[in-house]
This record gives sequence, structure tokens and C-alpha cells, in this order.
Amino acid sequence: QVQLVQSGAEVKKPGASVKVSCKTSGYTFTSYDINWVRQATGQGLEWMGWMNPNSGNTGIAQKFQGRVTMTRNTSISTAYMELSSLRSEDTAVYYCAKGVPPTSWGQGTLVTVSS
Amino acid sequence: DIVMTQSPDSLAVSLGERATINCRSSQSVLRSSNNRNSLAWYQQKPGQPPKLLIYWASTRESGVPDRFSGGGSGTDFTLTISSLQAADVAVYYCQQYYSTPRTFGGGTKVQIK
Repeated sequence: QVQLVQSGAEVKKPGASVKVSCKTSGYTFTSYDINWVRQATGQGLEWMGWMNPNSGNTGIAQKFQGRVTMTRNTSISTAYMELSSLRSEDTAVYYCAKGVPPTSWGQGTLVTVSS
Repeated sequence: DIVMTQSPDSLAVSLGERATINCRSSQSVLRSSNNRNSLAWYQQKPGQPPKLLIYWASTRESGVPDRFSGGGSGTDFTLTISSLQAADVAVYYCQQYYSTPRTFGGGTKVQIK
């Protein structure tokens, strides 16, 4: 069955960077886009961007351009999202999700930004 | 960017009754290449990731109960739960995937009256 398993919770200081991983299984990794979506506590869903795991091409929402990098390692079917220059407003659960629209989601990774 | 507006923000419906959620996009999401609307609906329960219910505005994802149905075209869409069950208590989101950024609506919280 399709699975997306994300890395564990992170606590970071303002100004630092965080890299979240999304290990996939149960399907051909290079055949479906990976989306990244975040959700602050008690808030709605916010789409951050997508990556084509085959080409490595990405599309980042303007709000995150310059701070978000999406990469992958096809040999281990894993996608990564790195967010830099963290601020308190970046405290949220970050999800990876497969396909357009996303049919399968990771369990989420809580990133807490606090001094 | 396409802005997605959901209404209402929340609603309370009696068990077995109908629940209807609205979603409006700031521009059409009808894809001319296949004459389909690039609109999806998700259900999210506390502590869980979203679950895809409906795509192409009206196609039910595999395994989704048939009490869930999607309708609409162009800029106006609805998600209907024909007979609300206790398991349907959740927040529901619409999303357009016509263009990037693939924006979400603000969510509608469905509760039991």
C-alpha cells in the first residue's frame, strides 16, 4: 500500500533552518508529484509548493520563494523540504502529499520555532 | 492567485440530515483540455492529515461512502453529505488544482446538532 512517512518533530530557533523528509513506498516515486502543505495549530491548510520527483522541477508559492527548497533522492524514494530563516509564524505541522490532487498524505511533522 | 472561499465557516446538522458546504473560486477552474473542473474536497479529523474525498469536482475517491457527493462547475461548487453520520464530524476543505499556487478554501467545520 502507498505510504508516506515523514521525519520526526523539530524544535528550532528563529533564523535557523529545518529539513523535513518524506519517505515513500508502495508506488513508483518518480511517477507522481510531491506536494508540501502546512497547517498552523487550529488553522487551515496552506499549500507551499510541488516537486516533480522525476525531473526535480519545483514550483514554490510566492510567499515561500527564497526560503523553501524542495529536493529528492530517487534511490531511496524520499522527498525533502527545507525551510530557512525560520520565524515564529512558521510553527506548524508540515505535510507531504502524493499526486495532484493529493491522494495520499504523510502523517505530518510538527516544526516548532521558539527562542 | 485563485482565491477559494468556503461557506459557511461551520454548521451543525442533525444525524441523518443533509449537510451542504459551498466553495467559490475567484476565477474558473474548468480545464478546457478535458472539460473538467480542477476542484477537490478533503475531510480532516483532529490529529490526522486530510483525506481526499472528491476530485474533478464530482468524482468520488475509491472507498469514500456514496453519501458524499460533489457538484458545481466553473466557479461555484458544493459538497453534500446526504445523511450525516457521527463519523462525518470533521473540517472540510476545497482545493483548486487548476493552477499554482494550488490554493485551499478556509475550511468548514461540520458538527452534530
